[in-house]
Amino acid sequence: DGGITQSPKYLFRKEGQNVTLSCEQNLNHDAMYWYRQDPGQGLRLIYYSQIVNDFQKGDIAEGYSVSREKKESFPLTVTSAQKNPTAFYLCASRWAPNYGYTFGSGTRLTVV
Amino acid sequence: EDQVTQSPEALRLQEGESSSLNCSYTVSGLRGLFWYRQDPGKGPEFLFTLYSAGEEKEKERLKATLTKKESFLHITAPKPEDSATYLCAVQALDSSYKLIFGSGTRLLVRP
Repeated sequence: DGGITQSPKYLFRKEGQNVTLSCEQNLNHDAMYWYRQDPGQGLRLIYYSQIVNDFQKGDIAEGYSVSREKKESFPLTVTSAQKNPTAFYLCASRWAPNYGYTFGSGTRLTVV
Repeated sequence: EDQVTQSPEALRLQEGESSSLNCSYTVSGLRGLFWYRQDPGKGPEFLFTLYSAGEEKEKERLKATLTKKESFLHITAPKPEDSATYLCAVQALDSSYKLIFGSGTRLLVRP
């Protein structure tokens, strides 16, 4: 079945540590996205990529980094510069601009 | 500034009690409006896309409608399994990439 796989489902980060969230899709979608979801707030865009080897900052990119070396993969690194990283992270992809996103199942990141 | 506001924040219904969720939006020009369902701890699941005022889409007990300023998600005779958070998002004409999301409506349907 085609879809988006995010891993791990739960992730714990210590202070000062960088962590990487994985996102893999087999839908052959060009565009991929990372959103952050906090309680009571809408999803906020962190980074997006419309094509391999190209990506753009979203609304809240500070403290995050991404790469897009393969069409299928769009990993997100949460760096130590992100002061409030505890949140639910969602990866998404879409086939074309007028179509809805397909979302992964999410990664819950907690700072310990 | 493009904005999406959903109301109410939370809604409790008895099984079979029909109601509507509201999504008001402010955008320079609408490319599309999207409805999603999200279960706790999971990613959003796509429900509908609406592109122009007057358009309607239906799926089982759900019906989405669109005007120039808002969209409604009507739930007819809901069942407990319809309990979830429903998210609305819009894409502006001048944006080919970004969806702007509302904060969602948490729906609880009691048996």
